[in-house]
Amino acid sequence: DTEVTQTPKHLVMGMTNKKSLKCEQHMGHRAMYWYKQKAKKPPELMFVYSYEKLSINESVPSRFSPECPNSSLLNLHLHALQPEDSALYLCASSQLKAGDEQFFGPGTRLTVL
Amino acid sequence: TQLLEQSPQFLSIQEGENLTVYCNSSSVFSSLQWYRQEPGEGPVLLVTVVTGGEVKKLKRLTFQFGDARKDSSLHITAAQPGDTGLYLCAGAQQDTGFQKLVFGTGTRLLVSP
Repeated sequence: DTEVTQTPKHLVMGMTNKKSLKCEQHMGHRAMYWYKQKAKKPPELMFVYSYEKLSINESVPSRFSPECPNSSLLNLHLHALQPEDSALYLCASSQLKAGDEQFFGPGTRLTVL
Repeated sequence: TQLLEQSPQFLSIQEGENLTVYCNSSSVFSSLQWYRQEPGEGPVLLVTVVTGGEVKKLKRLTFQFGDARKDSSLHITAAQPGDTGLYLCAGAQQDTGFQKLVFGTGTRLLVSP
């Protein structure tokens, strides 16, 4: 299994809603990532989990809350988002070794009304 | 802020033509990855180059890593409509046990029949 899966594919939410994005991989990777991608821009790193511990938070607002329940799962909890948070949210995973490669999921298209 | 500049930003060609995309930086990377991304989907890993001067071929695609590991190129021979997409280079830098990717600015390729 060389796949990273993400659910849901699309999400529309209001600014007062609470929702969660889910990511799963079964490649035995020990690092997992959340990226945000705006239209016509490259992905921007948000969070990195290494061995299920948060290693990097790229100054992301607290309305985004990541969680890594186990080595295969990564969640992103959303609360009180703003319309400018609308974007494609990408999850990725990688092994922790030299020449590491990141494998991306298909993304969740989020629209905040 | 480390930047990876890609050129050209946009390329529109006819089927059968050849093209080269460039990825340049002033920073040294431990490895460099090339991805292709379709609209609304996650980036798909094409190749990873690790050694300075390395050349890798993937069917009609040829990837080269610069001798100083600061730049890379992607050459496509006899482009086909299925090559259409956003091409992203991403340089990897070691960060406390895992590799952090710095994404290029992207090259949008359109191949017309």
